[in-house]
Amino acid sequence: EVQLQQSGPEVGRPGSSVKISCKASGYTFTDYVMNWVKQRPGQGLEWIGWIDPEYGSTDYAEKFKKKATLTADTSSNTAYIQLSSLTSEDTATYFCARGDSSYPYVMGAWGQGASVTVSS
Amino acid sequence: DIQMTQSPASLSASLEEIVTITCQASQDIGNWLAWYQQKPGKSPQLLIYGATSLADGVPSRFSGSRYGTQYSLKISRLQVEDPGIYYCLQGYSGPWTFGGGTKLELK
Repeated sequence: EVQLQQSGPEVGRPGSSVKISCKASGYTFTDYVMNWVKQRPGQGLEWIGWIDPEYGSTDYAEKFKKKATLTADTSSNTAYIQLSSLTSEDTATYFCARGDSSYPYVMGAWGQGASVTVSS
Repeated sequence: DIQMTQSPASLSASLEEIVTITCQASQDIGNWLAWYQQKPGKSPQLLIYGATSLADGVPSRFSGSRYGTQYSLKISRLQVEDPGIYYCLQGYSGPWTFGGGTKLELK
């Protein structure tokens, strides 16, 4: 069974950074890309970017290029997203979602979400 | 960026009713469109990809279609487990963009 287990809720001070993890199991980690999607409270979905764990290649939405850094550790089958220079606009739930290698927008498995609260 | 205009923003329908949700793309995206369902407090789930292909395990009452740059998700007979928020997503060119969502409720 494919599973994506995300880390727990985070609270970050304005201006600080947080790092969320997404541990994959039940499939070959390097055969799929990993997407990250943001959802602010009561709002819709927003695509942040994806990482190809096999090559470490990434693609970001322009607005997240200076905000988010995607990495992956193939030894532990874990993908990460680091959010920097936190502001209230970063308060949201962040989902990891496995993307098909040929059609990365096809996200057939999702993590449970990790909430980030930015508060002083 | 490609804009995905989703309608309606919300709708209420009865059990067994036919429900249709649409997304209008701001430019040609071919069949690079997926539909996702999100239930309250849960992660989104893939329903349709390639505009018309049903994802594994998704009931056959869900179907997708395309007419030019307009895409539709149809639920043929609404069931009690179908309420939630539905999103379209274009994967044609970056940044991938979601529609604003359609909140579906049972009448």
